[in-house]
Amino acid sequence: QLQLQESGSGLVKPSQTLSLTCAVSGASMSGGDYSWSWIRQPPGKGLEWIGYIFHSGKTYYNPSLKSRVTISADRTKTQFSLRLSSVTAADTAVYYCARILPSYNYYGMDVWGQGTTVTVSS
Amino acid sequence: DIQMTQSPSSLSASVGDRVTITCRSSQSISNYLNWYQQKGMKAPNLLIYGASSLQSGVPSRFSGSGSGTDFTLTISSLQPEDFATYYCQQSYNNPLTFGGGTKVEMK
Repeated sequence: QLQLQESGSGLVKPSQTLSLTCAVSGASMSGGDYSWSWIRQPPGKGLEWIGYIFHSGKTYYNPSLKSRVTISADRTKTQFSLRLSSVTAADTAVYYCARILPSYNYYGMDVWGQGTTVTVSS
Repeated sequence: DIQMTQSPSSLSASVGDRVTITCRSSQSISNYLNWYQQKGMKAPNLLIYGASSLQSGVPSRFSGSGSGTDFTLTISSLQPEDFATYYCQQSYNNPLTFGGGTKVEMK
């Protein structure tokens, strides 16, 4: 059974870079036409899509964050990562990783990590 | 960007009630519309994909309908475990966008 687990820095200083990793277990990132995504949720607010990486390695980012975001996958395809540079307090949120289903399943996000809280503060 | 508008933003209901949540997109998204349930600060859970297809393991009291710009999530008979926040999400275009959420509370 596929499981996702986020990890990384829980406290980041303003202007620094947020780095998170999503460990994928129970299935291969390379199998099937799946994409792998990051989503965040500021305290008390709704969900915001950050970006995703295709199984091919191609990436798509939310234009609102594009200049600061990098999503990558490791060679073994057992984890993928998020880097968000020049963070401010507005980047404080719970960060989730999720799997995106193929097009014939209308790209629903069917498996999510438990989420990790990132606070931006000096 | 495609804007997703949910209504109502919150509602109060009792166990056994039929509950309907609507979601409207700012432009046509065909049926690239997904629904999620979120309990507290747990991760969202996919309920419906493609506007009307029930995700595996989701109870049949949940159903979705609609196409184009107007969509509906219906809970036919509200159960205690259904008190949660529900989000719609369009997957027609990047950037992927979510509705603002509908909180279903106990009356």
